[in-house]
Amino acid sequence: TQLLEQSPQFLSIQEGENLTVYCNSSSVFSSLQWYRQEPGEGPVLLVTVVTGGEVKKLKRLTFQFGDARKDSSLHITAAQPGDTGLYLCAGEGRNRDDKIIFGKGTRLHILP
Amino acid sequence: DTAVSQTPKYLVTQMGNDKSIKCEQNLGHDTMYWYKQDSKKFLKIMFSYNNKELIINETVPNRFSPKSPDKAHLNLHINSLELGDSAVYFCASSPTGTENTEAFFGQGTRLTVV
Repeated sequence: TQLLEQSPQFLSIQEGENLTVYCNSSSVFSSLQWYRQEPGEGPVLLVTVVTGGEVKKLKRLTFQFGDARKDSSLHITAAQPGDTGLYLCAGEGRNRDDKIIFGKGTRLHILP
Repeated sequence: DTAVSQTPKYLVTQMGNDKSIKCEQNLGHDTMYWYKQDSKKFLKIMFSYNNKELIINETVPNRFSPKSPDKAHLNLHINSLELGDSAVYFCASSPTGTENTEAFFGQGTRLTVV
């Protein structure tokens, strides 16, 4: 069974600070997604990374896929209160029955 | 138009009852899923289904059963509800035949068993 470990589980920082959230696994993933979930809503896809070493940017969010495709990071620059939410990484395994599995999430709270 | 819609959004019911949650997607996707999100917000896959095969997470009790009348629908039936079934259940869909499997989620159904 492939597992995704996210860290930290909780993060509370001041507006304007930078932060990084990590998603690690001992398994190789064919692709990895980052989702954001707000209270009372379903997760919403932010980005998909596919190639080892790939970096994608979404405004103040920078996503990186590890060279070995076992880990990923999400870096937020100058965090805003609107960034508050639950951030989930998810991966699709390389085996036929390895559907999308999720990490346990990082709950981010940005203080104004 | 809502891409993935679930009904009801809230469901309160007594132990022992049988209930269903409906899910519909208008994205033309071939694969649909049911996830359970526990109180700690951990999303755990229950089922994945396309029009060819059903893959069941072996930890899911057989009181839970997916029913798919057509490609756009995947309903979740739960028999003999238990207190521990209380959670938020999410339906999702994804395209197949593409390199990346990205899931599109419904808004969730908060099930409370009393």
